[in-house]
This record gives sequence, structure tokens and C-alpha cells, in this order.
Amino acid sequence: GAVVSQHPSRVICKSGTSVKIECRSLDFQATTMFWYRQFPKQSLMLMATSNEGSKATYEQGVEKDKFLINHASLTLSTLTVTSAHPEDSSFYICSARVRMGGHEQYFGPGTRLTVT
Amino acid sequence: DAKTTQPNSMESNEEEPVHLPCNHSTISGTDYIHWYRQLPSQGPEYVIHGLTSNVNNRMASLAIAEDRKSSTLILHRATLRDAAVYYCILLTDSWGKLQFGAGTQVVVTP
Repeated sequence: GAVVSQHPSRVICKSGTSVKIECRSLDFQATTMFWYRQFPKQSLMLMATSNEGSKATYEQGVEKDKFLINHASLTLSTLTVTSAHPEDSSFYICSARVRMGGHEQYFGPGTRLTVT
Repeated sequence: DAKTTQPNSMESNEEEPVHLPCNHSTISGTDYIHWYRQLPSQGPEYVIHGLTSNVNNRMASLAIAEDRKSSTLILHRATLRDAAVYYCILLTDSWGKLQFGAGTQVVVTP
């Protein structure tokens, strides 16, 4: 149980276009989902906290107008990278906490974004 | 944010135990100690967590010092599949936000 999926797993887009990444909890309801970014050979950096039905909370230094987060249901959160540039190329990972569950978070497999 | 300190890397032989230390001297009374691991090109995986008492599960054991200023993750018999970056994280936020540090790269030698 507690599986989180992400789609797509890899995406290549041209500079200036927007890309949407989906994060789904497959077998549980997630009150809260989180989005992380990881550059090569670096650790994960928390970008934002997404709560179902409310606005996302962004970490300091993360542009909310560039990284649009929507958490429309208890099983789906989306991250849209708007007007992507090569410096946005990264590994994007989501995680979810089980609704009314314990402390542990379940992570998706990640989405590799390459902006050309 | 409460911080943790871990060695950059550790090496172990296959089928031997691995003890991964973590220092968290600024931990507060309500902070939980979490461990996650990340295999190459994958999302992190929950390993174990604890508050004050030692914890065991199918993946590992967590030994917490009496003063809670340090903890040790124990992999009882390392396998090649255990080669990963292991992160020790203090959960201080009621929403569950995890702030990842650099972690420890575990190398398992056949």
C-alpha cells in the first residue's frame, strides 16, 4: 500500500513553454502533498506544501507564479512549471502524507524535466 | 530549523551490519527523528522514525540516545540493494515538512 505515482516520468520541453507534472496517491487519501526539487548530486529541496482545497504554501525563494500548484482532490496534486528555462531543468519529486495517518511520507518516483 | 549532522559516506561489506550515526544536538522535545533513503534516480523511501524509545521494523532499527541529541540507524545485514543515500531528518513541523540535509552515502561491497 501507500503508493505515489508521478506523470510523466521524463519530459523535455522548449524554453518558454509550460509543463505540468501530476502527483497521485494511488491507494490512499492524502491531506497534504509536498513538492521537492533535486539538482544533480544535491539533496532534495522542499519547494511547497500543498493542501487539498487550499492555496499552496511556498518555501522562501520559490516563485509561486512560476511554480503553480493545484491540489484539487485528496489524491491529486499538480505542479506546473510556467515559462520554463534551462535553469529549471531538474528532478521534481512529490510526496504525500496519509490522511489521518502517521508521520511517514510516501514519495513518488520523480519527474526528470529537461528544458532545451 | 533543527539541523542534523551525518557523515558524508560509509562503506560496508555485504551481509554485515551498518551503523549510521546522526547528531541532532538542537533537537526539541517534540521533534521526531525520521530516516529516509534514496536510491539513484528514485524518490526517497521512508525507513523508520522515533521520538524517544528505540524502534524496530522490517527494514531497520533506530537507536535513540537517552538525551536525544544523537541517534543511530542500524541496518542489520547490508545487501547490495541497501546502497543509497540515507537522510536523518528532524520532523519539527505539524504539517510534516521534511528538510533534507546532505545525508550519508552508503556503499555496500560484495
